[in-house]
Amino acid sequence: NAGVTQTPKFQVLKTGQSMTLQCAQDMNHNSMYWYRQDPGMGLRLIYYSASEGTTDKGEVPNGYNVSRLNKREFSLRLESAAPSQTSVYFCASSEALQMGGVYGYTFGSGTRLTVV
Amino acid sequence: AQSVTQPDIHITVSEGASLELRCNYSYGATPYLFWYVQSPGQGLQLLLKYFSGDTLVQGIKGFEAEFKRSQSSFNLRKPSVHWSDAAEYFCAVGADTGRRALTFGSGTRLQVQP
Repeated sequence: NAGVTQTPKFQVLKTGQSMTLQCAQDMNHNSMYWYRQDPGMGLRLIYYSASEGTTDKGEVPNGYNVSRLNKREFSLRLESAAPSQTSVYFCASSEALQMGGVYGYTFGSGTRLTVV
Repeated sequence: AQSVTQPDIHITVSEGASLELRCNYSYGATPYLFWYVQSPGQGLQLLLKYFSGDTLVQGIKGFEAEFKRSQSSFNLRKPSVHWSDAAEYFCAVGADTGRRALTFGSGTRLQVQP
């Protein structure tokens, strides 16, 4: 099925460990995003990539890095995990950055990360 | 900067009753407005979007939303709620220009009573 695939679905890390969240889309979308979802705070943008070869910081980028590996893949890395990074992480993609992505965003099913 | 406010954190309605979820936005130019729904343990699914033209937009699953520029609102409505509508609903605003991704509200959780 066409869409956005995120791996892993669940992960438990110890404080200080590193990990990379993977995201791939097969819709030939230009723009990709990483959001985190926390109770009562909605979705907050971590990083985004308007097009292949570009990345930009969002609202809450501290403690994260990203790589737009190619047009399909956009990974999120936690270099030294902290308990404050316990959250559900969503990757999304869209046709374009502006105008809400033109047709809106397509979301992956999320990665539930717990840092202990 | 663009922002979205969803004043209601949690709403409970009876099955068959009508529903209205509120959304207020802040954006200087013409906004691009969206409603998304999230079922438990799932990602977000697009319900409907407003770009321009008719201020009443129809979406999937029988939902509609009305854009009111004078009130900076984009409220979501459904005439008769079904138990399967229980979920969390997010309003979002996008920019027409510039390097800005969608900004989401904090969400409204809908509970449906039998």
